[in-house]
Order: sequence, then C-alpha cells, then structure tokens
Amino acid sequence: AQSVAQPEDQVNVAEGNPLTVKCTYSVSGNPYLFWYVQYPNRGLQFLLKYITGDNLVKGSYGFEAEFNKSQTSFHLKKPSALVSDSALYFCAVRANNDMRFGAGTRLTVKP
Amino acid sequence: DGGITQSPKYLFRKEGQNVTLSCEQNLNHDAMYWYRQDPGQGLRLIYYSQIVNDFQKGDIAEGYSVSREKKESFPLTVTSAQKNPTAFYLCASSSIGASEYEQYFGPGTRLTVT
Repeated sequence: AQSVAQPEDQVNVAEGNPLTVKCTYSVSGNPYLFWYVQYPNRGLQFLLKYITGDNLVKGSYGFEAEFNKSQTSFHLKKPSALVSDSALYFCAVRANNDMRFGAGTRLTVKP
Repeated sequence: DGGITQSPKYLFRKEGQNVTLSCEQNLNHDAMYWYRQDPGQGLRLIYYSQIVNDFQKGDIAEGYSVSREKKESFPLTVTSAQKNPTAFYLCASSSIGASEYEQYFGPGTRLTVT
C-alpha cells in the first residue's frame, strides 16, 4: 500500500525567504503525487500534482515541487514566502483510486 | 471550495444521538469520499463511493454509515456507536479511471458531541 511521510510538524520562515516543506513517499508502481493547502476551518485546496514528465512541477500561488525518484521525495518549495502562505500543508500519494495523505506540516511565515 | 458544499458548518449533538452530515457536489464527479481530520493525524478515510448505490469502507468506518442514492449526494451518518465522534469532517469528490485526478474538497463540518 502507498504512504507518505511529512517529517516536519512545523516549519518557520521569515517573509521573503525561500521555503521548503518536505515529503517522502512509498508506492509500488508509478507515483501520482499531490500537494494541498488548508487554511483554518476550511477544506483542502489543491496546489499542484506530479503525474509524469518534468521533475519540477509548478502550481498555484507561486508554489512548485520537485520530484526526486531516487530519493522518493516530493518537496514543496517557494522562492519567496509571504505571510499569507501560513497554513497547513498536506502531501498525498494516489494509486488505484486510493489517496493517502501525510499528517500535515504547519507553515508559519513571520513578517 | 470547488463546487462541493457541506452543511452545516458547525454541528453540536448530545452523546447517544445519531447525526447526518450533508455533502453535495455539482462537478459531475463519479467518486465521492468522506474523511475525518483530527489534530496531528492528517486525514483518515471513512467511506468512499465510486458509483451510485455502491460504497466501500475506508480505514475507520466503524460507527459511521453512508448512502449514495444520487450521483450528486453522499451523506454521512455518525451513529451513537462511534466512540469519539468529535472531529472535523471533510467530503471530497473526483473523477475516476486514472490515479492522476486530484480530489476536490468541501469546506468541512466541525462536529462536537458532548
């Protein structure tokens, strides 16, 4: 069965600095990987996904993610963080219509 | 929140009462899902349905029930058998047929049972 791990419960960065939220995955076969963001008391919003092709995937709000097959990782990145990026971020992997989510990483961007 | 509505946003119930959470989508998606979210645990799958009148248990189905009489609707009932029902409940939908399709989420219902 597939699974994802988000090794950091909390990530703190200063506004304007680059940010990285880490995700590693385990899946048999081709990985379909996703990032979602959740603001307080809201549902999850889709940010981006990796299906195939380019290892660098660009998504909403200036976010991007880098797929690394050898390290089984799919880290979320943004070159310059905004205070409004503060939220809970979930990595997910999908296979056979079965979506598995990580436990989430809380990103706090300080002014 | 992408064409999926959940109601109500907040729900309060006394212990021992069944309660039904509503989920409706207008995205013409075949698949619908219910997740439970607890702090620090991410999302856990309760039930999912890929076609009308059919549904499957997820990882934590005990104490819950669902129905799928219409493509657009997938209500979740939290029964009195659910030992710890207080949580944030999220409904989602997606196309089926390929794992590349992302899920679209509703705004959630926060259930508090006292």
